[in-house]
Order: sequence, then C-alpha cells, then structure tokens
Amino acid sequence: GQQVMQIPQYQHVQEGEDFTTYCNSSTTLSNIQWYKQRPGGHPVFLIQLVKSGEVKKQKRLTFQFGEAKKNSSLHITATQTTDVGTYFCLLRGGSNYKLTFGKGTLLTVNP
Amino acid sequence: NAGVMQNPRHLVRRRGQEARLRCSPMKGHSHVYWYRQLPEEGLKFMVYLQKENIIDESGMPKERFSAEFPKEGPSILRIQQVVRGDSAAYFCASSPPTGPSYEQYFGPGTRLTVT
Repeated sequence: GQQVMQIPQYQHVQEGEDFTTYCNSSTTLSNIQWYKQRPGGHPVFLIQLVKSGEVKKQKRLTFQFGEAKKNSSLHITATQTTDVGTYFCLLRGGSNYKLTFGKGTLLTVNP
Repeated sequence: NAGVMQNPRHLVRRRGQEARLRCSPMKGHSHVYWYRQLPEEGLKFMVYLQKENIIDESGMPKERFSAEFPKEGPSILRIQQVVRGDSAAYFCASSPPTGPSYEQYFGPGTRLTVT
C-alpha cells in the first residue's frame, strides 16, 4: 500500500529563520495537497500540486512537487509567530481514492 | 456560504454507549470524508462517501464503526459500544462534486471522550 514519510516531526525556530518540511511517498502520486492545522483547530487547505516539477508560491511559502511525483516540500521564508501550527501533506494515489495524510510537522516559532 | 458543520463539538460517552457524530458538508458539496486524529498525531483517513454511497471505507475499523451519507440530511459516523481507545478528534471534510482531487474543506471536529 501507499506509504508516506513526512519529516521532520517537530521543528522549533527563532522568528525570522526559515523552515522546510518534506513529504516522501513510496508510490507515484497523481497530486499532493498541503494543509495547516493551528493548535486546537482544524486543517485548512493551503495548496495543491499536480504537475511534475511544479513550484508554487504563496507570499513567504514555496511549495515544490518532485520530478518523479513522489516527493514534495513546503518552505517558509522568514517565519513569523503566525506560522505556528502543524503542516500536513495529503497524498492521493494514482488510480484510486486512497488518501493518506503525512504525520505532520509541528512548527513552533520563538518570538 | 456556511462552512462544514459538525456537531456536537464535544461528546462524552461512557464505555459501551453509542456515539453519533454528524457532519453537514458545504452547500453544493457531495463528497464527504471522515478522519480520526489522536492527540499529538496526524489525521487518519476512515471513510469516503458520496450521497447514498460508500466509496472507500478502507480506513474504517471492521467492527463497531459505520458511516452513512443519506440523500437528505447530514453524514453520520456511528460508533457502537465505545471503548477508551475511541477517544479522539473526529474531523469530517467535504469537497465539490468535481471529485476527490480537489481541496477538502474541514469542519471544526468533534472531540469524543470515552470515560
């Protein structure tokens, strides 16, 4: 079955430092989505990547989809305290509805 | 346009009781997903439904758990004879009828506590 590894599990940074989380799949993906969940809150959709090698930017956030469509990364430049939360990737396999969330990366930011 | 609604937000049940969790998708959405989240852990897919159909229930425990999404009314996740290990946050999400490749909109979740 589809396996996903998301690293790191935790990341603590000083405000202004950069942050990156990675998702790696054991199988080729049709697309990947990223979500953010604030402490005590619910996941909120950030972005979807579909094409091989795709790069998308949202202000200080940069999302990449690997050439082989088996891995993805989310990079935050110059973190702020509002970036605190857990970032999850959501993987969908190629030919079925199987949905798998990564375990998430909890980001904490020291002001 | 109201978002995804879930109720109750908090539910306390004693071991052996039944828990019923409700989810009303966003207006116009016909796809519903249920996820379970244990404390300090990620979300685990349970079931994917369209109106009156279960499309994928591969993440649902075989016993005590069932889900439905009737033609009228909310989607229901039902847990019979709850045990302590069922304590978790249960989130539902909905997506437009164009399919599961589109973003999911999550409800606020139901926090189930089994005493």
